[in-house]
Amino acid sequence: GENVEQHPSTLSVQEGDSAVIKCTYSDSASNYFPWYKQELGKRPQLIIDIRSNVGEKKDQRIAVTLNKTAKHFSLHITETQPEDSAVYFCAARRGQGNLIFGKGTKLSVKP
Amino acid sequence: DAGITQSPRHKVTETGTPVTLRCHQTENHRYMYWYRQDPGHGLRLIHYSYGVKDTDKGEVSDGYSVSRSKTEDFLLTLESATSSQTSVYFCAISDNLAGYQETQYFGPGTRLLVL
Repeated sequence: GENVEQHPSTLSVQEGDSAVIKCTYSDSASNYFPWYKQELGKRPQLIIDIRSNVGEKKDQRIAVTLNKTAKHFSLHITETQPEDSAVYFCAARRGQGNLIFGKGTKLSVKP
Repeated sequence: DAGITQSPRHKVTETGTPVTLRCHQTENHRYMYWYRQDPGHGLRLIHYSYGVKDTDKGEVSDGYSVSRSKTEDFLLTLESATSSQTSVYFCAISDNLAGYQETQYFGPGTRLLVL
């Protein structure tokens, strides 16, 4: 079955810097890759997703890139702000299968 | 937030007692899921449903059962709670488009402590 590994597990950046979180997946047939943000004590919320027919997607300060050959996808956050501090989860899904989540990255943005 | 509620939001129970958690949606979505979230493990799927009375196991289903008698409600039951089931439980929903599951949206979560 699918396996998703996420790195790093913790990431600390200065406000204004960029942050990059990377996930690798094992099933080459996976075709949907969402990213969720979870603030302390809150529910995971979708922030961006990408399907396998595109290589990159942007939404303001957030972007996701997908490398199908290498089977990895990454979340890029530019101009980080303190409110970006949260735990971020990647996930992968094949066809009609269920989402398989990475174990999360705790991002801390220092003012 | 999508129209998803969970009840109770917090529960403390004793080992060996039955516990039922409820997920209610107002979106009329086809798919519903139960996850547990534990430090170092991320989100792990317990059970899911792809329609009324249609359910299947996830990766950590032992000790849990589910039922879905109506589109809007998905119940998770711990028949005999154990301390290892202390966790935060999230319900999620997604719709179906052209035969594929779409984006999942999560409920607010239930914190369960088994003493």
